[in-house]
Amino acid sequence: GAGVSQSPSNKVTEKGKDVELRCDPISGHTALYWYRQSLGQGLEFLIYFQGNSAPDKSGLPSDRFSAERTGGSVSTLTIQRTQQEDSAVYLCASSLRGGGLRETQYFGPGTRLLVL
Amino acid sequence: GENVEQHPSTLSVQEGDSAVIKCTYSDSASNYFPWYKQELGKRPQLIIDIRSNVGEKKDQRIAVTLNKTAKHFSLHITETQPEDSAVYFCAASISGGYQKVTFGIGTKLQVIP
Repeated sequence: GAGVSQSPSNKVTEKGKDVELRCDPISGHTALYWYRQSLGQGLEFLIYFQGNSAPDKSGLPSDRFSAERTGGSVSTLTIQRTQQEDSAVYLCASSLRGGGLRETQYFGPGTRLLVL
Repeated sequence: GENVEQHPSTLSVQEGDSAVIKCTYSDSASNYFPWYKQELGKRPQLIIDIRSNVGEKKDQRIAVTLNKTAKHFSLHITETQPEDSAVYFCAASISGGYQKVTFGIGTKLQVIP
């Protein structure tokens, strides 16, 4: 079946503008994660969803970042008043349940964000 | 929270040689340790994982070992091939109401033909 998809694949914006990044998880996956990957860096956890609720938002860098998930499916990560340091690849991943000991995360292709 | 350290950050090996990547974790409650491979410009993909009740796991040329006492685990790739060139991420997961995965910073492996 279809994997995790993300849109847009690339986004160039001006400093101070708001951006919305979209993630479509694998159908039936209840757990959804957002990560940020800066150039040459590791995977920085941002937020986790179980269904439509977010039990862990501890990775969101500032109050300019927010995310929501509707219908237990699509998620949107919103960055308000973008700054140059927000430039990175934003990766979304989903897993079947999120609560088990062995839960493979399936990653999307990422959205490459560049803030000028 | 959990802290995962990974080294080396870069590793170059000759084709056919072995490569070893090491990780340590801080939280003794962690009980699941996946490894992901990310090829250039592509998404991370799971290549192997190990649970805390197992000391070693092999899958063809790839093996992972776990030392719970010392809180470290390692990825071993034998008979390396050019297509093994990628960034490898270790991770640790704390079982609980949900699975939050903490990733290491990654190791860029280059296999020289």
